[in-house]
Amino acid sequence: QVQLQESGPGLVMPSQTLSRTCTVSGGSISSGSYYWSWIRQPTGKGLEWIGRVFTTGTTNYNPSLESRVTISLDTSKNQFSLKLSSVTAADTAVYYCVRGGNWFDTWGQGTLVTVSS
Amino acid sequence: EIVMTQSPATLSVSPGESATLSCRASQSVSSNLAWYQQKPGQAPRLLIYSASTRAAGIPARFSGSGSGTEFTLTISSLQSEDFAVYYCQQYNNWRTFGQGTKVEIK
Repeated sequence: QVQLQESGPGLVMPSQTLSRTCTVSGGSISSGSYYWSWIRQPTGKGLEWIGRVFTTGTTNYNPSLESRVTISLDTSKNQFSLKLSSVTAADTAVYYCVRGGNWFDTWGQGTLVTVSS
Repeated sequence: EIVMTQSPATLSVSPGESATLSCRASQSVSSNLAWYQQKPGQAPRLLIYSASTRAAGIPARFSGSGSGTEFTLTISSLQSEDFAVYYCQQYNNWRTFGQGTKVEIK
């Protein structure tokens, strides 16, 4: 059974770059025809899809975030990563790494990332 | 961007009763719609995809219907573990979520 575990700093300074890494266990990130996505949820609010990466490395991003987002794959470590640049307080949220590109069937536990000085 | 609107915002239901949740898309999403359940402090859990296909391990009391712009999630005979927030999500054009419906104990 595939499991996802996020890691990375929980506090980011305004204007800096938010970085998250998701480690996949119980299966290879490069096997099958899976997308791997990032989704975020501000406290007490709804869900926002950030973007996805395919096993080939092909990416797609939410148009509202595209200018600031990079999602990449590291098959040697069975990981995928998120970088969000020029963050503001509005980027404070729980960030989830997720398997899927259309619907999302496996989720990491999620980690709160706070943008504050 | 396709806007997903869920109603009602809160639904009060007694255990054992059924619940009907609605989701409307601002334009047609065909059958490219999923439903999720989220409990406090937990990640969402996939319930339904392709508007009506239950995900692995999801009980038969959860059912989805609809196509185009109007969708429904029905939970028959609500159990205590079903009280949660439910989100719909379209994947016809990018991916967007509704704002959620909270199902609470009456």
